[in-house]
Amino acid sequence: GDSVTQKEGLVTLTEGLPVMLNCTYQTIYSNAFLFWYVHYLNESPRLLLKSSTDNKRTEHQGFHATLHKSSSSFHLQKSSAQLSDSALYYCALSDRGGSNAKLTFGKGTKLSVKS
Amino acid sequence: EAAVTQSPRNKVAVTGGKVTLSCNQTNNHNNMYWYRQDTGHGLRLIHYSYGAGSTEKGDIPDGYKASRPSQENFSLILELATPSQTSVYFCASGDLGGPNQDTQYFGPGTRLLVL
Repeated sequence: GDSVTQKEGLVTLTEGLPVMLNCTYQTIYSNAFLFWYVHYLNESPRLLLKSSTDNKRTEHQGFHATLHKSSSSFHLQKSSAQLSDSALYYCALSDRGGSNAKLTFGKGTKLSVKS
Repeated sequence: EAAVTQSPRNKVAVTGGKVTLSCNQTNNHNNMYWYRQDTGHGLRLIHYSYGAGSTEKGDIPDGYKASRPSQENFSLILELATPSQTSVYFCASGDLGGPNQDTQYFGPGTRLLVL
């Protein structure tokens, strides 16, 4: 079945440094749709950005990610971390060719930004 | 105005007791989902539904039942609660078609403690 790997469980950064959260995935379907969800403390998880287009950069709220189907990756980046970016980030996969009602989530990466 | 609501927000239950978690959505989405969130495991899908009257098993359905009596409502039922079911439970809604295809919208979560 489908799987999503987020190797880092916790990333701790100093404010102003660049952010990179890793996400790789496995699916047998070529038309994968990748998502990043963000979960701030005491709020609901919400969509941050999504993409299904190979090698196209997607941006939202200062974050960006590029889907690379050749390496099955969808890493989340930001040029300069802010204290308010501290949250739990989930990478997720929807395989349009399979059961396209479901998302497969990674285990999440907690980003902690310190001053 | 919140489009996905959950009740109760907090629940303490006893081992062996029955617990019902409720979810209501005003998004008019066909699909609804129940997840549990645990540190080190991320969001794991318990049950989901394509519409009123339908329920499907997710990735970790054991010990849980689901009920979808209407488009708006989706319940998660723990017939015999166990301490291992202590977790935070999230409901979500989403749709297969349209510009927000595959995007899921989450509720605020229910914290369940089984003693």
